[in-house]
Amino acid sequence: DIQMTQSPSSLSASVGHRVTITCRASQGIRNGLGWYQQIPGKAPKRLIYAASSLQSGVPSRFSGSGSGTEFTLTISSLQPEDFATYYCLQHNSYPWTFGQGTKVEIK
Amino acid sequence: QVQLQESGPGLVKPSQTLSLICTVSGGSISSGGYYWSWIRQHPGKGLEWIGYIYYSGSTYYNPSLKSRVIISVDTSKNQFSLKLSSVTAADTAVYYCARQDGLYYGLDVWGQGTTVTVSS
Repeated sequence: DIQMTQSPSSLSASVGHRVTITCRASQGIRNGLGWYQQIPGKAPKRLIYAASSLQSGVPSRFSGSGSGTEFTLTISSLQPEDFATYYCLQHNSYPWTFGQGTKVEIK
Repeated sequence: QVQLQESGPGLVKPSQTLSLICTVSGGSISSGGYYWSWIRQHPGKGLEWIGYIYYSGSTYYNPSLKSRVIISVDTSKNQFSLKLSSVTAADTAVYYCARQDGLYYGLDVWGQGTTVTVSS
């Protein structure tokens, strides 16, 4: 299985600040990576697929980049509703595997 | 828009079989190009992809669970289901059903999730 390692595991940031989360794959996955946001008690919601494609309806402050083994999710200006846990998912090779999550908290 | 809803017992005894159903509304499960998945999340932990089924019945299971998992589809009811046999406390989790928009594009629509506890 492909192992996905996210960093950091948690971070604190202020509203309006820029946030970057990284996901590294144990082997190359081309652009087969998505980013998901999970608010406590809710199902995950897809933000990004194929590394950099923005899911319809998702605000443009979210962006994704990378290919191969290193990927980044950037929130350009953190909003109050963005405080959540973020997961990466590699969807290039079966079985699909998730990162362990990054919890974004209010500073 | 397509919506998914999980249903099934919230409590299962050890060694028994966990059975869940996912009902798809707002679209046909037989629509080509979509695959139907199960994912679980252990309490306070990350996410684990369990497997998928296509409307034709073809499946793929996570090797870590393959010996205990069966995913099936009922196109007449617009539902797909999960059976996990010989459960233990380690199978206690929130179980989600979700739609894959293709074999290699991820999970675009999720159900709200259902909590299953394995306990005697």
